[in-house]
Parts: sequence; C-alpha cells; structure tokens
Amino acid sequence: QKEVEQNSGPLSVPEGAIASLNCTYSDRGSQSFFWYRQYSGKSPELIMSIYSNGDKEDGRFTAQLNKASQYVSLLIRDSQPSDSATYLCAVKRDTSYGKLTFGQGTILTVHP
Amino acid sequence: KAGVTQTPRYLIKTRGQQVTLSCSPISGHRSVSWYQQTPGQGLQFLFEYFSETQRNKGNFPGRFSGRQFSNSRSEMNVSTLELGDSALYLCASSLGGRVGTDTQYFGPGTRLTVL
Repeated sequence: QKEVEQNSGPLSVPEGAIASLNCTYSDRGSQSFFWYRQYSGKSPELIMSIYSNGDKEDGRFTAQLNKASQYVSLLIRDSQPSDSATYLCAVKRDTSYGKLTFGQGTILTVHP
Repeated sequence: KAGVTQTPRYLIKTRGQQVTLSCSPISGHRSVSWYQQTPGQGLQFLFEYFSETQRNKGNFPGRFSGRQFSNSRSEMNVSTLELGDSALYLCASSLGGRVGTDTQYFGPGTRLTVL
C-alpha cells in the first residue's frame, strides 16, 4: 500500500463546475497536510495547508481533513481552465524533519 | 521576498560523471529539503538540511549527497551518474521548525538528463 494515494485521474470537469480531489494516507502519525498544484514543466506551488479536522476555505478552494478516516480532500469551486494542472497531496509527520510524502498526483483538466 | 532559486536550470551529463546542483532558499529560511521527481516514482524526498546539519534522509543510495552552508544555501551532489538519475531535482525551503505549520516552498527545479 502506498503511503499517500490520490484518486486516479485524469479528472475532467466543465468550466464553472466543482472539482473534487481526494487523498488517503496510511501513516496515522501524519499531522500536517498540504495541497500543491503543478503546471506542466513547472515546480509545485502551495495551494492549501490543513492541520485540524474539518474544513478550511481559501477563495475558491476548500480543503477537508478527516484524521479518523485518514482522508484529505480539495474542492475547487467555479473551476477555470487556468486550474488545469496536476494536484499533489502531501503529508508530513511533525517528527520527520523536512520530509513531505507525496501522492502520485491527479491531473485535472477544466474544459471551456 | 525573492523566492527559492536553483541553478543551473538544465544539465546534460553522461553516465559516470558527477553533478552538483545549487539551491538558495528564501531569505530567513534555514531549512532546505531536496526532492527527486520522475514520471514513474513521482516526488521522492532525498534529504533535509538545517543550520548546516543533515537532519533527515530518504532512501537513496550514497551517490546522492548534500551540504548546507552558513548562509543556508545548499548543494546536492550526485556521483557516478546513472541513466535512472535523469529527473527534475527540486529544492524546497522553509523556516525549519518542527511544528507542522512549517510550510515548504519549492524552487523552479533543475532538469538533469543523463545520456
């Protein structure tokens, strides 16, 4: 079992729709969770971080965390073509300096 | 604030050679983490440096090494290059605290091609 698994893609949604990206993790010691966006040929860019159970909203993005179910998700409302990218889920143990463990990424395409 | 910078951006080497990559973190950040990204394995953690000390290391062979200088700039070295070392090498900087709120910001990466 991979340490961090993301819903298999690619995911295609129409412009204006809600895109839902999911991530599960196996290490119950994980305490910090991050979503990065990576455009083709570019480096990962931080979108959201979440540390406590529940929802965290930032503009069109909402991250949801459920530690009991070892599940974290990212919702993108009013999806735009510019949101088309690979979305990476990353988790971190506080006891593990500097190490983010990444999922394989979900490719999202938003079509006009 | 200037972001994370990495040099060079592109490198082409042949098998058996060695290579050194450089990373300058965001001003005030003392932690630098290195990652390798390949299509098959995704993003994998190499090592992390803080105040010139390696605090954590991933599962890579000893051919991969690094160091950090007193100004927090970091270098990684790969010796005896293999074809499988072709990848995007990313560094990420953070303040370096142990708490989970320590967020990593990535540089643009160095694309290494081994022929």
